[in-house]
Amino acid sequence: DTGVSQDPRHKITKRGQNVTFRCDPISEHNRLYWYRQTLGQGPEFLTYFQNEAQLEKSRLLSDRFSAERPKGSFSTLEIQRTEQGDSAMYLCASSDQDSTDTQYFGPGTRLTVL
Amino acid sequence: AQKVTQAQTEISVVEKEDVTLDCVYETRDTTYYLFWYKQPPSGELVFLIRRNSFDEQNEISGRYSWNFQKSTSSFNFTITASQVVDSAVYFCALSEPGRRALTFGSGTRLQVQP
Repeated sequence: DTGVSQDPRHKITKRGQNVTFRCDPISEHNRLYWYRQTLGQGPEFLTYFQNEAQLEKSRLLSDRFSAERPKGSFSTLEIQRTEQGDSAMYLCASSDQDSTDTQYFGPGTRLTVL
Repeated sequence: AQKVTQAQTEISVVEKEDVTLDCVYETRDTTYYLFWYKQPPSGELVFLIRRNSFDEQNEISGRYSWNFQKSTSSFNFTITASQVVDSAVYFCALSEPGRRALTFGSGTRLQVQP
């Protein structure tokens, strides 16, 4: 299996712009997760999909954030009207519900908002 | 609410020393899972181990070993004969059944000097 992939790896944007990140999970993993990690901290959960259904959202996920997984495969995370506080590493993970359900992480997208 | 505490922010050892990374957790559930992940400088979180709350047997995998003690709510990780390649940030994490989110500690940065 190839691992979880994320694109882009780095994104620099100006405050107020919209950005979109993509995550491709391990093939046949039906669960997909988004986390955010700021410097010196552990990852914090944002949201989770089972197939195409978004089943859980953290309070961290403000209304400027939206995530989709339209066909139950890849997922996108969009941040509208970015703020400097959105600067972080955005991590995607996937798991197989029918196996150990262990979450395997991608390399992350590092967002810098100027 | 669940919580994971990694009190050691940074540890520095010389190659071939043994090192133990501490993890203390809080949860109200009797069923839960504990994890350790490694985050090398490249940034990708690498899965190391998953432990069920009902399985208190210690586990050894090569130079890595884990000590799970329910009585003290601890899940400590020991690296024997450390190597420079072990230099990374190590995260302990907790999940509860019914919730897919992982709760991470703030991580311990391990530096292994040659």
